[in-house]
Amino acid sequence: QQQVKQSPQSLIVQKGGISIINCAYENTAFDYFPWYQQFPGKGPALLIAIRPDVSEKKEGRFTISFNKSAKQFSLHIMDSQPGDSATYFCAAFLTGNTGKLIFGQGTTLQVKP
Amino acid sequence: GAGVSQSPSNKVTEKGKDVELRCDPISGHTALYWYRQRLGQGLEFLIYFQGNSAPDKSGLPSDRFSAERTGESVSTLTIQRTQQEDSAVYLCASSLAWGYEQYFGPGTRLTVT
Repeated sequence: QQQVKQSPQSLIVQKGGISIINCAYENTAFDYFPWYQQFPGKGPALLIAIRPDVSEKKEGRFTISFNKSAKQFSLHIMDSQPGDSATYFCAAFLTGNTGKLIFGQGTTLQVKP
Repeated sequence: GAGVSQSPSNKVTEKGKDVELRCDPISGHTALYWYRQRLGQGLEFLIYFQGNSAPDKSGLPSDRFSAERTGESVSTLTIQRTQQEDSAVYLCASSLAWGYEQYFGPGTRLTVT
C-alpha cells in the first residue's frame, strides 16, 4: 500500500513534443507529491511538486496534473528538449512522524533532436 | 549556497570489509535522510534523522547497517561486513524541516567485490 507505480519505464520523444509520465498510488495518507530529475552520475534534483488540494501546477515547461479521486498524478513536459533527457522519478511523501519519500521506479526519457 | 555533499564519491571494497559513507547536509537543514539506489531502480529509503535523533530506521536492510548524526550536521552511514548485494549508490538528502522539499547530494557509488 506504500508503493508508487510509475509508467512508462522508458520514453522516446521528438524535440518539441510533449513528454508524459504517469504515477499511481494507493495510500491516501500521502500528502505531497514531488517529481525529481536525475542525470547520470548525479543525485536527483527536485523539479516540481504538488499537494492533493490542487489539481494542476505549472512551472515553465513542466506541469503536474493531479487526480485525487483516481489517486493518479502525471508530469507533462511541454516542448521537450534534448537537454531534458534524463531519468524522472515521481514520489509521494508519507505524512506522520516519518520523513520518507516513497519513490516510483523511474522513467528514462530520451528526447531526439 | 553549498548543496549536500557526500564522500567518497566512489568506494570499492572487498566483501566482508566495513565501510563508512559521509554526508554533509545543507547548512541549517535539521532533517537528513539516507536512501539507496540500486542500478536501474528507484530510491529506497534507509533512515531519517531529525536533529541528531533517528525517529525512523525502518528502511535499514539489516543490522549490518547503522547510521549516526552529530552536531545536527554531518552524518555517517556504516555498513559492516559488506556483501555484494550492498553494491549501490547511497544518496543523502536534507531538508529545512522534516519532510517535503528534500535536496539530494551526488551520492556515493559503493562496489563490493
